[in-house]
Formats: sequence, structure tokens, C-alpha cells
Amino acid sequence: ELKVEQNPLFLSMQEGKNYTIYCNYSTTSDRLYWYRQDPGKSLESLFVLLSNGAVKQEGRLMASLDTKARLSTLHITAAVHDLSATYFCAVDMGTGNQFYFGTGTSLTVIP
Amino acid sequence: KAGVTQTPRYLIKTRGQQVTLSCSPISGHRSVSWYQQTPGQGLQFLFEYFSETQRNKGNFPGRFSGRQFSNSRSEMNVSTLELGDSALYLCASSLRDLLDEQYFGPGTRLTVT
Repeated sequence: ELKVEQNPLFLSMQEGKNYTIYCNYSTTSDRLYWYRQDPGKSLESLFVLLSNGAVKQEGRLMASLDTKARLSTLHITAAVHDLSATYFCAVDMGTGNQFYFGTGTSLTVIP
Repeated sequence: KAGVTQTPRYLIKTRGQQVTLSCSPISGHRSVSWYQQTPGQGLQFLFEYFSETQRNKGNFPGRFSGRQFSNSRSEMNVSTLELGDSALYLCASSLRDLLDEQYFGPGTRLTVT
């Protein structure tokens, strides 16, 4: 079974600071997804990373994928309060028949 | 374009009862997946349907079942409810399969008492 681990699980950061969330997975996969979930809400797709070395940026968030290291990062630049949410990474098995989510990182941005 | 819709949004049931949840995918999407989210186990894949057939299944007991209709709408059924089935159940739709980008519905919050 594929394991997907995120760290940290909880992150409290001040506005204006930078930080990185890490997502490690245990088996080969060329695709990785990042989602955001606000309290009591559903999942919102942030990024889809489809190959080794893929990098995508949207606003203050940048995601990258290293398939050889089985690692993805979500970098937050100059955090603002609106980024407070839980962030999940997710990986499929590469065959399209299973989908695994990470443990989630609960981010709180403090003014 | 309308998003994924799920009904009902909230549900309270008693142990031993059964429940049916409904999901309407984005128009044109043929793959529908179901997920369970709990504080203890996180987000877990239940199953995926395509063309009225269950194509993939996660590691859940047989009490959890589903079906898909010809218009791609899907239902999920849980029989003999247990307290541990209390969760947020999320439905997602995609064009063809789990490799396509998935769009999630608002979820159904099930409480089992």
C-alpha cells in the first residue's frame, strides 16, 4: 500500500514569512496533486504535477515534484491570512486505480 | 458550468440503520469517486465508478457499496451503520479516470449515534 506523509502536520506562521510543506510518498508515481481545504468545506484543487521536475506557481504558492526522491514541496511566499487552511497532497498509483491522500498540513497564518 | 453536487449535506442516523448518499458529477464527467474523511484516518478512497461499473475499490468492508446510473450520477450506500462510520463523505468527478483532475463536491456530513 502506498504511504503518503506530510510534514509538518501543523504550521503556525506569521504574515510575510516564507515556509515549505513537504510531501513524501513510498512508491513510484509520476503524478502528484495538491488540494486546499477550508474548515467545513470541500477540497479545492491547487496544482497537478505530472512529471519529474514539474514546477507550478499560483500567487504566493509554488509546488514542485521530484519523482526520484518521491518528494513534493509546497512553498509559501510572504504568507497572508487568507492562506490559512489545511493542505493535502495526493498521489495515484500510476495505474489510475487507487488514489492516496497525505495526512494534511493545517496552516494558520497569524497577523 | 455547475460543479459537483451532493445530497443531503447533513445526515444523522442510528447504529444499525442504512444510508444512501447521492452525487451528481459535472456535466460530461464520466468517472465518479467517493472518499471518506475522518479526523483519525484522514481522507481515504472508497471506490470509483465509470460507465455504471465499479472500476476501482479501496480497502473498506462490504457494507460500503455504490452504483452509478447511465447519466453518471452516483449513489453510495452504507448498511448496518457503525459509530465509526461518522465522517464527511466526499464525491469527486473527473472526465475519464483517477488520472484526470478530480473536482470535489461539498460533501455529506454523516453522524451515526
